[in-house]
Amino acid sequence: EAQVTQNPRYLITVTGKKLTVTCSQNMNHEYMSWYRQDPGLGLRQIYYSMNVEVTDKGDVPEGYKVSRKEKRNFPLILESPSPNQTSLYFCASSLWRSNEKLFFGSGTQLSVL
Amino acid sequence: DAKTTQPPSMDCAEGRAANLPCNHSTISGNEYVYWYRQIHSQGPQYIIHGLKNNETNEMASLIITEDRKSSTLILPHATLRDTAVYYCIVRVKETSGSRLTFGEGTQLTVNP
Repeated sequence: EAQVTQNPRYLITVTGKKLTVTCSQNMNHEYMSWYRQDPGLGLRQIYYSMNVEVTDKGDVPEGYKVSRKEKRNFPLILESPSPNQTSLYFCASSLWRSNEKLFFGSGTQLSVL
Repeated sequence: DAKTTQPPSMDCAEGRAANLPCNHSTISGNEYVYWYRQIHSQGPQYIIHGLKNNETNEMASLIITEDRKSSTLILPHATLRDTAVYYCIVRVKETSGSRLTFGEGTQLTVNP
């Protein structure tokens, strides 16, 4: 089944403790991206990647890192999480043509205490 | 980036057509209009997209005005399961990558 898999689904952590949210897709998609969603703000893009070893900042990249060492994986790294990074996070992927649709993961609810 | 404007909320009676508008007055010639929806806190789901012609699939129809400054998503026979936030998105092409701009969306409530 074609899908984007995020783990974990829920995560509670404390300020400053490094964490990684994993994202994997099985569709051989070139493009992958991370979004965060906060009440009243809709979805905002954090980082995206056009292909292996190619990443770029989205609208809200501060406090986040990403890597794209393999085509299928695009982990989101929070080196020193802070409470303002408490949010619902989504990973997405697509083929890289302008008329292709995005596939979203089921989300990761992160709480930073 | 071309921005989108949508009404924050709409109501629709079950079985009737739901018409969701989107304004994208600064859209450029090679940008597509995409529609997604998000049911509660699930991952957004693709519905339909178009460039300048009207489009229809099994989920919905997309009507784009001739000047491409606005569009309307039509759910022909809305059901309770169509209650969701609907996002109108314009896809921007840049030399070093691409960026999706999500608006705040329209909360569609389908009432029995």
